[in-house]
Amino acid sequence: GQQLNQSPQSMFIQEGEDVSMNCTSSSIFNTWLWYKQDPGEGPVLLIALYKAGELTSNGRLTAQFGITRKDSFLNISASIPSDVGIYFCAGGSGGSQGNLIFGKGTKLSVKP
Amino acid sequence: NAGVTQTPKFRVLKTGQSMTLLCAQDMNHEYMYWYRQDPGMGLRLIHYSVGEGTTAKGEVPDGYNVSRLKKQNFLLGLESAAPSQTSVYFCASSYPLRTQYFGPGTRLLVL
Repeated sequence: GQQLNQSPQSMFIQEGEDVSMNCTSSSIFNTWLWYKQDPGEGPVLLIALYKAGELTSNGRLTAQFGITRKDSFLNISASIPSDVGIYFCAGGSGGSQGNLIFGKGTKLSVKP
Repeated sequence: NAGVTQTPKFRVLKTGQSMTLLCAQDMNHEYMYWYRQDPGMGLRLIHYSVGEGTTAKGEVPDGYNVSRLKKQNFLLGLESAAPSQTSVYFCASSYPLRTQYFGPGTRLLVL
C-alpha cells in the first residue's frame, strides 16, 4: 500500500532557529496536508496544498507541494517555544473516499 | 460552532467488554473518519463514511464496527475489547476530497 516517509523523526533545536522537515513517497498524491498535534490534543491543520509546485505560507510556516507530486516539505522560520509538538504530513490521492495517508510524525522540541 | 467533538474523553475497559465511541460534527460535512493513533505508528484509518447511511473499511478495521445513522454523527463500536485496542482514537470530518478536521481524541485503555 501507499506509504509516506517523514523525516526527521525528531528535532531538538534552539529558539530562533529555522526548522525544515519533509515527506516523501513512491506514490503520487493530489493533495498534501501538514498538521500539528499538541500533547493530549487532536491534529490541527497548518497548511493544505492542492497543486504540484504550490508554495504556501501561513505566518512563519511555509510548505511546498513537490513538482513530482511525491514529496512535500514544511519550513518553520525563527522557531519559538510554542512550536513544540508533533508535525504530521498527510497525502491524499483523491478517489471517492478522500482518504489520507499519514506520515509517522516529526517531534519538535525547542530550547528557550 | 464546536467543530468535531468526541465522547468520552477517556475510558478504561476490561478485556471482553464492549463500548461505543461517539463523534459529532456541526460543519455539515459529508465525510467522516475514525483513526487510531499508536506510538511510532502515526494515524491509521479504521473506518470511514462518505455520507449518511454509508460506511467502509479503512486500513485497520478488524475488531471495530461503525454506524452513520445521522449525517452529523459517526459511532465507533468495540464489541469485545482486547488489550491490542488500547490506543488514542480520533474522529475527523471533511467536505468531499478536502481538508479533514479532527476531534480532540478518546483515550482508551483495555486491561
